[in-house]
Amino acid sequence: NAGVTQTPKFRVLKTGQSMTLLCAQDMNHEYMYWYRQDPGMGLRLIHYSVGEGTTAKGEVPDGYNVSRLKKQNFLLGLESAAPSQTSVYFCASSYLEGTTHNSPLHFGNGTRLTVT
Amino acid sequence: GENVEQHPSTLSVQEGDSAVIKCTYSDSASNYFPWYKQELGKGPQLIIDIRSNVGEKKDQRIAVTLNKTAKHFSLHITETQPEDSAVYFCAASIYNNNDMRFGAGTRLTVKP
Repeated sequence: NAGVTQTPKFRVLKTGQSMTLLCAQDMNHEYMYWYRQDPGMGLRLIHYSVGEGTTAKGEVPDGYNVSRLKKQNFLLGLESAAPSQTSVYFCASSYLEGTTHNSPLHFGNGTRLTVT
Repeated sequence: GENVEQHPSTLSVQEGDSAVIKCTYSDSASNYFPWYKQELGKGPQLIIDIRSNVGEKKDQRIAVTLNKTAKHFSLHITETQPEDSAVYFCAASIYNNNDMRFGAGTRLTVKP
């Protein structure tokens, strides 16, 4: 049981290049999320998905796109990378929690992206 | 939207001492307050959470207290050990994980 796996672990891009970050979870969780972590700013939600084939915008969605074609995978794309997107990106998943709606987030180990 | 402030940003204690991290939130509708621990090079991991219908929750050396009137909650770690050294994040949520907001984090160092 690997939990949440992110690839790649590190990446350097030049301004204007594109890339896709891959997240895979083997816990059969319904919900998946992409966060970015910047110094002094905690974790901010980029996009999320409440199930296969669905996606929605989070707090900071501009410049990113996502897709959830399979329940276990959640992809984060950058079409034209900018230096402001230099950050550590975390994927997370969670199960559907009855009527309380909150359940623990299970995070991957992150992808460190540098845009020059 | 919800705004979560966390203090202090860094905290250094001697092994065996207690550590307290405090968070305040802005939206009185928030009702779920988790704490995550992040070790170097790893993703955050949930260590304890509390819902608004209780004022305190304990799990061995870790406790969380909630004051809904004052809109603040705190993490208490007793008998600290070097392996407690990490970055700790608080968070607050009104309805579900999609609206959760995180604090900026506290780097805790426990000196042996």
